[in-house]
Amino acid sequence: KAGVTQTPRYLIKTRGQQVTLSCSPISGHRSVSWYQQTPGQGLQFLFEYFSETQRNKGNFPGRFSGRQFSNSRSEMNVSTLELGDSALYLCASSLGGRGDHTEAFFGQGTRLTVV
Amino acid sequence: ELKVEQNPLFLSMQEGKNYTIYCNYSTTSDRLYWYRQDPGKSLESLFVLLSNGAVKQEGRLMASLDTKARLSTLHITAAVHDLSATYFCAVDMYSGGGADGLTFGKGTHLIIQP
Repeated sequence: KAGVTQTPRYLIKTRGQQVTLSCSPISGHRSVSWYQQTPGQGLQFLFEYFSETQRNKGNFPGRFSGRQFSNSRSEMNVSTLELGDSALYLCASSLGGRGDHTEAFFGQGTRLTVV
Repeated sequence: ELKVEQNPLFLSMQEGKNYTIYCNYSTTSDRLYWYRQDPGKSLESLFVLLSNGAVKQEGRLMASLDTKARLSTLHITAAVHDLSATYFCAVDMYSGGGADGLTFGKGTHLIIQP
């Protein structure tokens, strides 16, 4: 079956701009989580959506936001980009139901470079 | 705040040798995950450990979980070059199902030399 699909794979943006990243989860998965990976900070949790609702949120400023659609696809938006936002953004999908205890499958990521 | 510590962070070893990567975490959790990441690639799920005493094996890799000690180990047996990668452990921060929000260790960069 198809895996987690993230688009675009690469992006170059200028400071102050905004960007939207997209994630299509595995069919049947209702939870989508977003992570930021940088050499300095490692992998950090941004937020998680389940059935179109943000269920959990990590410790990131309000410039980072997201949403989930009825087909479980998710988008992440970063406004007023800063150089420090340059990172690999990973999305993960899982079944997500309470008590499912299932693993998360990661997409290939979007490499964002802010110049 | 949940903290996840891996050690070592860097490991260079020879083919055929055995070694163990350790993952300590700071708060009660009974869900721990191991992932592998190759350079420039995404994360590949290796193991999901869901209870105290859980042990899982796949090929030359074996993972275990001791929730009382808040410790997981990833043991590599008779290493081969193809196992060279960065290995991450992650703990689920929330009480919900699935992987609602994972806190990752910094990763162990493993190089296996012929």
